[in-house]
Amino acid sequence: DQQVKQNSPSLRVQEGRISILNCDYTNSMFDYFLWYKKYPAEGPTFLISISSIKDKNEDGRFTVFLNKSAKHLSLHIVPSQPGDSAVYFCAASAMDSSYKLIFGSGTRLLVRP
Amino acid sequence: KAGVTQTPRYLIKTRGQQVTLSCSPISGHRSVSWYQQTPGQGLQFLFEYFSETQRNKGNFPGRFSGRQFSNSRSEMNVSTLELGDSALYLCASSVDGTNTEAFFGQGTRLTVV
Repeated sequence: DQQVKQNSPSLRVQEGRISILNCDYTNSMFDYFLWYKKYPAEGPTFLISISSIKDKNEDGRFTVFLNKSAKHLSLHIVPSQPGDSAVYFCAASAMDSSYKLIFGSGTRLLVRP
Repeated sequence: KAGVTQTPRYLIKTRGQQVTLSCSPISGHRSVSWYQQTPGQGLQFLFEYFSETQRNKGNFPGRFSGRQFSNSRSEMNVSTLELGDSALYLCASSVDGTNTEAFFGQGTRLTVV
C-alpha cells in the first residue's frame, strides 16, 4: 500500500529550464510534506517542506506547491542546473503518526548541460 | 556541528548471521529514525526512538530491532539475515521527531550473500 507515489522514475531537463517533479498521496491525514535530494553514496538531504495550511512554499530556486483537494504536490526547480542531477524523494507525515516519514520511491532527475 | 554518523559504511554478511548497525545523531537531537532503502522501493520506515523509547514501528518482521542509549546514539540489529535484507540502511536524526526535517546519515550498505 503505497501512500506516497512518485510515478515518474526519471526526468531529463535541459540546463536553465524548469524541472517539475510530482508526487501524489492517498492518506488525507498527511499534513506535512518534505522533499529530499539524494546523491549516490550519500544520505538524503532536506530541500524544502510545506505544511498543509499552505499551498506554496518558496526557497530560492525551489518551490513546492500543494494541492490538497487533488492530494498532489510538486517541486519546481527554476532554473535547473547540472548540479541538481540527483534522486528526489517526496515524503509525508501525519499528526497522528508524527514520528515517521512516508517516502515515495523517488524520481531521478538528470539536468543536461 | 557534526552531522549524523553511521558506522560501518559497508558490510558483507552471510545468510543466517546477525548484524548491528550504529548511528550517532547530531548533537542535541533526541529523535533517531531508521529507514531501509532498496532499489525502486524508496525509503521504508523501520522505527523511531526518542529518549530511549521506541515511539513508532514500521511493518518489518521481528528480526529487525533497535535501541537507543542515554546519549541518543542508536543501534539497529537484524538477526537471521536473509538475502532480501541487502539494502542501504539510513539513520535520521531530528530535534524531537515531530514534523521537523530529519537529517540523514550517509547510510550503511549491507550486502547479504
